[in-house]
Amino acid sequence: AIQLTQSPSSLSASVGDRVTITCRASQGISSALAWYQQKPGKAPKLLIYDASSLESGVPSRFSGSGSGTDFTLTISSLQPEDFATYYCQQFNNYLYTFGQGTKLEIK
Amino acid sequence: QVQLVESGGGVVQPGRSLRLSCAASGFTFTNYGMHWVRQAPGKGLEWVAVIWYDGSNKYYADSVKGRFTISRDNSKNTLYLQMNSLRAEDTAVYYCARRRIAVAGYYFDYWGQGTLVTVSS
Repeated sequence: AIQLTQSPSSLSASVGDRVTITCRASQGISSALAWYQQKPGKAPKLLIYDASSLESGVPSRFSGSGSGTDFTLTISSLQPEDFATYYCQQFNNYLYTFGQGTKLEIK
Repeated sequence: QVQLVESGGGVVQPGRSLRLSCAASGFTFTNYGMHWVRQAPGKGLEWVAVIWYDGSNKYYADSVKGRFTISRDNSKNTLYLQMNSLRAEDTAVYYCARRRIAVAGYYFDYWGQGTLVTVSS
């Protein structure tokens, strides 16, 4: 099964900062990658799919890029509501896997 | 609006069984594949199983294969997860999620609020 490795595992940042989270796949997955945001006690929320497509209703400060094995999620200017845990996810051969998560905390 | 509401969680002894339900509304249930995804306390997300829109295909994570069965009743707009031979490591919040088919891949676009399953003696 394809493994996804996120970095960093945790990150401290301030409101207004530009933040980048990386997800690396153990083998090429073309553009078949999504990003989710999860707040404590809540279900995950789809932010980005197909590596760079913004889900409807998601603020434009979120963007995704990459293809093959290396992907990034960028938040252009952090807002207070963005402090959460972020997961990448891929699909291959009828199996789905998630990265281990990146916890974004307030500095 | 799309709503997914899970139920059926609780405390169960190791080796016993439990059935989870997910009631769907706000969309045409028969047009969508559905998933179960779980999250152990303080841990990350783990995909569990998927079922096609018509129930014709089902796939499982290796960790639950042979013990869990995903099913659906399209007349009731309800998704199920039958969990047998439960183990302590199955303790988690279980979410149902709708399957999104996009250009490059497959994702989870709407999620329920989750139901907690605790396997303990």
